[in-house]
Amino acid sequence: GNSVTQMEGPVTLSEEAFLTINCTYTATGYPSLFWYVQYPGEGLQLLLKATKADDKGSNKGFEATYRKETTSFHLEKGSVQVSDSAVYFCALSAGGYQKVTFGIGTKLQVIP
Amino acid sequence: NAGVTQTPKFQVLKTGQSMTLQCAQDMNHEYMSWYRQDPGMGLRLIHYSVGAGITDQGEVPNGYNVSRSTTEDFPLRLLSAAPSQTSVYFCASSPWTGKKDTQYFGPGTRLTVL
Repeated sequence: GNSVTQMEGPVTLSEEAFLTINCTYTATGYPSLFWYVQYPGEGLQLLLKATKADDKGSNKGFEATYRKETTSFHLEKGSVQVSDSAVYFCALSAGGYQKVTFGIGTKLQVIP
Repeated sequence: NAGVTQTPKFQVLKTGQSMTLQCAQDMNHEYMSWYRQDPGMGLRLIHYSVGAGITDQGEVPNGYNVSRSTTEDFPLRLLSAAPSQTSVYFCASSPWTGKKDTQYFGPGTRLTVL
């Protein structure tokens, strides 16, 4: 079946540091890949997505590139802010009724 | 446009009690789903629906029932609550089952079963 692997964290960074959260996946076919973000006390919301190999998704300074050769979709940001503190979920969708497979989520803490 | 709404926000139950978690969306989405979120396990799919009158089981359906009488509403029923059902529950919707579709989540219900 499909699966998504990411570290649980927490990842603690100082403000303005460079962020990388690794995500690798296993899937048949050609899934779409997503990063969702969950701020404290809220539901998940879409951060970015990529729907085919070599696509780059970007939003709010975050980027991730769909790498089919390494089955990866790592999330990066050049300079994090305290307001980026949240839990980040990597996910894939191969379509169909079972919809989306989520990773366990990576908690990011950014300290001033 | 309220998106996906869930009630209640918090709930405490005793073992054996039953309750219904409410979920509604105003985006005319066909696909709706319920997840539970537990530490170290991410989100796990409980039940889903591809349209009014159509529901099916996800990864962890035991102890839960759902129904979908309208496009807008997708309630989750706990038949006889158990401590293992202590979790945060999220309802989500998306336009259809296409792999490019974004899922839209409600704010969640934090349930504690004593």
